[in-house]
Amino acid sequence: EVQLVESGGGLVQPGGSLRLSCAASGFSFSNSWMSWVRQAPGKGLEWVASIKQDGSEKYYVDSVKGRFTISRDDTKNSLYLQMNTLRAEDTAMYYCARGAWNFGYWGQGTLVTVSS
Amino acid sequence: QSALTQPPSASGSPGQSVTISCTGTSSDVGGYNYVSWYQQHPGKAPKFMIYEVNKRPSGVPDRFSGSKSGNTASLTVSGLQAEDEADYYCSSYAGNNNLVFGGGTKLTVL
Repeated sequence: EVQLVESGGGLVQPGGSLRLSCAASGFSFSNSWMSWVRQAPGKGLEWVASIKQDGSEKYYVDSVKGRFTISRDDTKNSLYLQMNTLRAEDTAMYYCARGAWNFGYWGQGTLVTVSS
Repeated sequence: QSALTQPPSASGSPGQSVTISCTGTSSDVGGYNYVSWYQQHPGKAPKFMIYEVNKRPSGVPDRFSGSKSGNTASLTVSGLQAEDEADYYCSSYAGNNNLVFGGGTKLTVL
């Protein structure tokens, strides 16, 4: 059974940092593109970032470029999202998903709230 | 990159068919056959329903079908059932390693 379990969310002040993690199991993580997708409260889905199998290619939505970094550790079957210089508009549920331009499996999400 | 345009709501009675549209541009929907659809029930993670315009992942009922004409993609749900009531989102590859989602459509089963 495919499982994606996110962690690391919480309340952070504007300008602060947070690191999200996603533990994967039940599929070949090292052979999979992986992504982060977010959803602000009551709003729609927004693609955030994707990373290739070997980590050699990373892509971001314009609004997070230079602030967020996606990474992976295939020895731990884990995906990460380092989020710096957080803004109120980054407040959202962050989902880890398998895939690049379509997402076959999703985690249950971790909530990030940016507020003073 | 602008979001794809979906109607905010759609509805139908049990057993009927309903079609949800997703309108983009020639730079996204019209330019690539990488349109996907997701179903999301309240408080739950999205579920993968359609990929590459009209392909169904394993386990998705064949009541769900996808199509595309020009810059507009569509999701049709046939034989509506109560459990189909959910939010539906389309997405499309938008070139230059970007992905864009639609704003979502709330489907109500009357």
